Formats: sequence, structure tokens, C-alpha cells
Amino acid sequence: GAVVSQHPSRVICKSGTSVKIECRSLDFQATTMFWYRQFPKKSLMLMATSNEGSKATYEQGVEKDKFLINHASLTLSTLTVTSAHPEDSSFYICSARALGLDHYEQYFGPGTRLTVT
Amino acid sequence: QKEVEQNSGPLSVPEGAIASLNCTYSDRGSQSFFWYRQYSGKSPELIMSIYSNGDKEDGRFTAQLNKASQYVSLLIRDSQPSDSATYLCAVNRFGQNFVFGPGTRLSVLP
Repeated sequence: GAVVSQHPSRVICKSGTSVKIECRSLDFQATTMFWYRQFPKKSLMLMATSNEGSKATYEQGVEKDKFLINHASLTLSTLTVTSAHPEDSSFYICSARALGLDHYEQYFGPGTRLTVT
Repeated sequence: QKEVEQNSGPLSVPEGAIASLNCTYSDRGSQSFFWYRQYSGKSPELIMSIYSNGDKEDGRFTAQLNKASQYVSLLIRDSQPSDSATYLCAVNRFGQNFVFGPGTRLSVLP
């Protein structure tokens, strides 16, 4: 299957600072990437859909000014958590959509564990 | 009504048994169906995809799709403790976002 990388895998930051997370599709081009967050023992929660060259589409209840998404190329999307607070501590996972012969498949990055102190 | 439903579990099976995981979906226009495995603290990993009615086998895994009844299942034969994880069902209509179920937690007891 396709490979998606995410960096960093873990980050600890102080309250009020910003953190950038990168998501890369390594062996395919992804016009669409997705950002999820997941709390312990909870389901994946879609935060936003990132489209190359256009603005991200945010899910209801997700603050677009707090979670900045940039999809500058067909292989890279970034999520910046601005003015982080302890309640932003979570597991952030990106995924990328790849087009097979006639179906889409979605592959996940390994995730970034963010801890805000 | 939730779009994709799964029994949250935990589903416990003894080692060597067949684990059967079920998923129902509400969108009749769904065309692609997927099973992901997620170990604790890790991200989901795609393990099976199925697009037409019937069975699809890959090693110890068999995915079954019944579009008329709007359900998809995953069978794991000869279950191993290493299969213990949460299994996510996902469905997709072409061009739209994937919709994930809440996942079923599987525990394989040695």
C-alpha cells in the first residue's frame, strides 16, 4: 500500500506556543489529505479536509483559526496548532487519499502525539 | 441514525478461533468498503478493501460484502493474540469522504 509519513511523532510544547505537524505522501500524489484527532479509547474525529491549492474544509466545531491547514503541494499538508492549550493535547493523525484503478483508498500516517504543558 | 455502525465490543475470542466482526452502513450509494486495524497508541492500518458483493480472502482475513443488506464483515481465521486491536470499518462513495465506524475492540485470549 501507499506510504504516508508524519513528523514529528511526538511533541511537547508549552501553553500558548504554536506547533506545526507535517504530513507527506511518499510514493504517490495526494490532492486530498485529511486531519483527524483521537483521544484515548475514543473514535477518530475528522477535523478537516485539506485540498491541494485551495482552502481546507473544516468540520463543524473545529476552529479554523486555531488549527491552520496548508496543502502547498501534492505531497505535503501541514497542520499548525496555534496558541496551544492543554486541552489540545491529543493524538493527531493525517491521512491521504490515493486513487487506484477505479476506487479511492485512504492511508494513514503514523500520527503525532501532542502534549501541551 | 449513524452512518456506519459497529459493535464496540470488546469481542473476546480464544486463540485459534475465528473472529467475526460486523459493520452496517446507511448510504446505499456506497461503493467501496474497507477494514482498518488500529493497535493501541498507533494509527489505523488498511488491511482489507472490498468493492463487490461476495467474499474476498487475503491470508487469514476474509471480507464479506452484502450490498442488499448493507453490511460488511471481516473474518479472522486462526486468531492470534497479535490480532488484538480495534478494527475500523470504513465506507466510501466515489468522490466523497470516507466514513468511519466507531470500531470494534477485539481481544484474542491466549
